[in-house]
Amino acid sequence: ETGVTQSPTHLIKTRGQQVTLRCSSQSGHNTVSWYQQALGQGPQFIFQYYREEENGRGNFPPRFSGLQFPNYSSELNVNALELDDSALYLCASSLVRPARRSGTFSAGELFFGEGSRLTVL
Amino acid sequence: RKEVEQDPGPFNVPEGATVAFNCTYSNSASQSFFWYRQDCRKEPKLLMSVYSSGNEDGRFTAQLNRASQYISLLIRDSKLSDSATYLCVVNSRGNKLVFGAGTILRVKS
Repeated sequence: ETGVTQSPTHLIKTRGQQVTLRCSSQSGHNTVSWYQQALGQGPQFIFQYYREEENGRGNFPPRFSGLQFPNYSSELNVNALELDDSALYLCASSLVRPARRSGTFSAGELFFGEGSRLTVL
Repeated sequence: RKEVEQDPGPFNVPEGATVAFNCTYSNSASQSFFWYRQDCRKEPKLLMSVYSSGNEDGRFTAQLNRASQYISLLIRDSKLSDSATYLCVVNSRGNKLVFGAGTILRVKS
């Protein structure tokens, strides 16, 4: 529906392993944001990528890293998995336009993918 | 203190009822405000933006009170299909949206 696709949809890992989650953004969008949503909580901002560079990061440790590719698709990598990393990982694409004067960014509507549900045992 | 706070509910209401959700935010520099809807085990979807002058979209009305740092969502004539989690969202910097934990609404026949 939103044109944002994520893979895999479900996966199970064990503590200490590494995982890569993938996201294809909606056509015409230049920005990808990643969120972690634990059960019963709202989505928590991990980071955002704009034009292949990290453009803001939430309160997540360095073992959470990402990439954005020239076609604006993105990856989220998590190393040394911990039990608390079990969550739904949501990718959202948007069209962000930098404001001319301030250089800040104006975020458009976020379009979410259906998420990747990660279980760490 | 969380940056965006909501009553988790659940709000259990009969069809046809009017229900209101509130949300407070802590960052007075916040620029944009939204309500997102999330169905069970689905992704969040934008319900409506919230403007300073207040705005209405059919049965849904959103209001913003910057002085009190307070956002509200009013749903009139509730439908069964309105059952979902409603997420209050604040854009405190240009590139970061902060989500509340959500308010659960259950509309019953």
